[in-house]
Amino acid sequence: RKEVEQDPGPFNVPEGATVAFNCTYSNSASQSFFWYRQDCRKEPKLLMSVYSSGNEDGRFTAQLNRASQYISLLIRDSKLSDSATYLCVVNEITGGGNKLTFGTGTQLKVEL
Amino acid sequence: EAGVTQSPTHLIKTRGQQATLRCSPISGHTSVYWYQQALGLGLQFLLWYDEGEERNRGNFPPRFSGRQFPNYSSELNVNALELEDSALYLCASSLAGTAKVFFGQGTRLTVV
Repeated sequence: RKEVEQDPGPFNVPEGATVAFNCTYSNSASQSFFWYRQDCRKEPKLLMSVYSSGNEDGRFTAQLNRASQYISLLIRDSKLSDSATYLCVVNEITGGGNKLTFGTGTQLKVEL
Repeated sequence: EAGVTQSPTHLIKTRGQQATLRCSPISGHTSVYWYQQALGLGLQFLLWYDEGEERNRGNFPPRFSGRQFPNYSSELNVNALELEDSALYLCASSLAGTAKVFFGQGTRLTVV
């Protein structure tokens, strides 16, 4: 089983739709969580951290469920510019420091 | 403030040659991470440097090596290049002890 699993998609949605991505992780010792966005042939960019109580940033809402070991990202009122690959990142603090594990990403295509 | 910078942007080498990739972290960041992203695949962790020391390495052969300089910039060396080393190599930096990483634009290495 992969340490961090995401549905690769693509998710094709019309502009204005609400879309949600899930990400599951296998290591219960994981301590912090992030969503990154990666545009085609570009570097990943931090979208938002994921907090235990859930958090929102404009149209984006992130949630964490430690019991079931998954995190989610909800995008409301999708824009064409939201088209990208969304990477789930899980961090475990080990004796060697932070161990970041990236999911392979979920591709989103927002269409007119 | 300048972000993470990587050079060169593109690099073409022949099989068996050596490649050297460079990274300058964000000012004040002491941790540097290297990742490999092959076409259609997720980010694979290569190396982590902090305060000039190699702290962790991923599941890659010894011909992948690197170092971090006193100014926290870093170099990734790949010896005896193989065709499957063709990928986007991403460098990321973070403040000491934090998991929030910021990526450079990457070096696209092509081995022919």
